[in-house]
Amino acid sequence: QKEVEQDPGPLSVPEGAIVSLNCTYSNSAFQYFMWYRQYSRKGPELLMYTYSSGNKEDGRFTAQVDKSSKYISLFIRDSQPSDSATYLCAPDLANRDDKIIFGKGTRLHILP
Amino acid sequence: EAGVAQSPRYKIIEKRQSVAFWCNPISGHATLYWYQQILGQGPKLLIQFQNNGVVDDSQLPKDRFSAERLKGVDSTLKIQPAKLEDSAVYLCASSLGQGASYEQYFGPGTRLTVT
Repeated sequence: QKEVEQDPGPLSVPEGAIVSLNCTYSNSAFQYFMWYRQYSRKGPELLMYTYSSGNKEDGRFTAQVDKSSKYISLFIRDSQPSDSATYLCAPDLANRDDKIIFGKGTRLHILP
Repeated sequence: EAGVAQSPRYKIIEKRQSVAFWCNPISGHATLYWYQQILGQGPKLLIQFQNNGVVDDSQLPKDRFSAERLKGVDSTLKIQPAKLEDSAVYLCASSLGQGASYEQYFGPGTRLTVT
């Protein structure tokens, strides 16, 4: 089983819809959960992070972590064409010497 | 604040040739990373520097890849000789310190095609 699994998509949704992006992981020791957004021909940028289980909201974005099922979600409300990008989940052990393990990413297309 | 700079942006070489990539991190960032991102995959860490010392190079194919950060600022990544499977985007990132609590800032990457 791979450490981090994501459906690669592409996922196409109409503008204004609620988007749900998901990720599963195998290492129960992960404590820090990040979502990166990567536009075409650009490097990834940190979108949101959460520490341990629970929800975190930032504007139209909500990150949710369920450690009991090792499941990570990112919700986008009122999706915009500018949200079209690849979204990478990246859980981490939250220790100083650890390296980030990125998922493959899900390609999202928001249709105007 | 200027971001992470990388050059060249694109490079096409034949297999068995050599190639070098350059990265200039954000000023003051002590930690520098090189990632390899194959099409359809997430970035994979190749090497991590803390100032001019190597912290982690466990996933660097050392028979053909080398990297240095001599003065603790700029860094170069070299491939010699290149193989077809080295075709990928090579991303440089930097952060103020080590660990997930320090945000990594990525450059635009160098897209390498090996023919």
